[in-house]
Amino acid sequence: EAGVAQSPRYKIIEKRQSVAFWCNPISGHATLYWYQQILGQGPKLLIQFQNNGVVDDSQLPKDRFSAERLKGVDSTLKIQPAKLEDSAVYLCASSPGANRRKTEAFFGQGTRLTVV
Amino acid sequence: AQTVTQSQPEMSVQEAETVTLSCTYDTSESNYYLFWYKQPPSRQMILVIRQEAYKQQNATENRFSVNFQKAAKSFSLKISDSQLGDTAMYFCAHGSNFGNEKLTFGTGTRLTIIP
Repeated sequence: EAGVAQSPRYKIIEKRQSVAFWCNPISGHATLYWYQQILGQGPKLLIQFQNNGVVDDSQLPKDRFSAERLKGVDSTLKIQPAKLEDSAVYLCASSPGANRRKTEAFFGQGTRLTVV
Repeated sequence: AQTVTQSQPEMSVQEAETVTLSCTYDTSESNYYLFWYKQPPSRQMILVIRQEAYKQQNATENRFSVNFQKAAKSFSLKISDSQLGDTAMYFCAHGSNFGNEKLTFGTGTRLTIIP
């Protein structure tokens, strides 16, 4: 079974530029998460999708961050414009979904973003 | 809202010894899940062990076991016969059993196994 795929693995941009991250969850997983992990901290949930609908985006800075999962499969997270404090690892995770037997979330390898 | 606290930023132990990582949490839910995730330098979060709050029996997975104290809201991880490959960041996480199932993570413990 293929795992959660993320790209790119690394990205360096200047502040005020835009950047996009891509995630392809495990096949058949209805729930997709984007987490932000700042150096020295635990991951913090940015947004959660159930199929193509948003379940929780309460901690997403909506003035600069956006995410979509149009067909309920892969997802894109965008930052525009980027700030220095956005430097972090962006982790994507997926799980089968709320109506399935409870199991853990499976994580991708993340994208390390550096804003200079 | 849930909170997870890991009070040990760093720990180190000799290879083959036993080490215990601490975690406390706060939640208003009566049923939930608790997890320990391992994050090696590759950055990928890997599930180590899972505990369902309604189960009284502590979970075990080979060399890994937990001490789940529901009343005290404590969830420690014990690693027996530690190996060099156990060197990593370890995160404790709370998972809601209702609604959105999101995970709330602690700040992590950096564990180093010394040869």
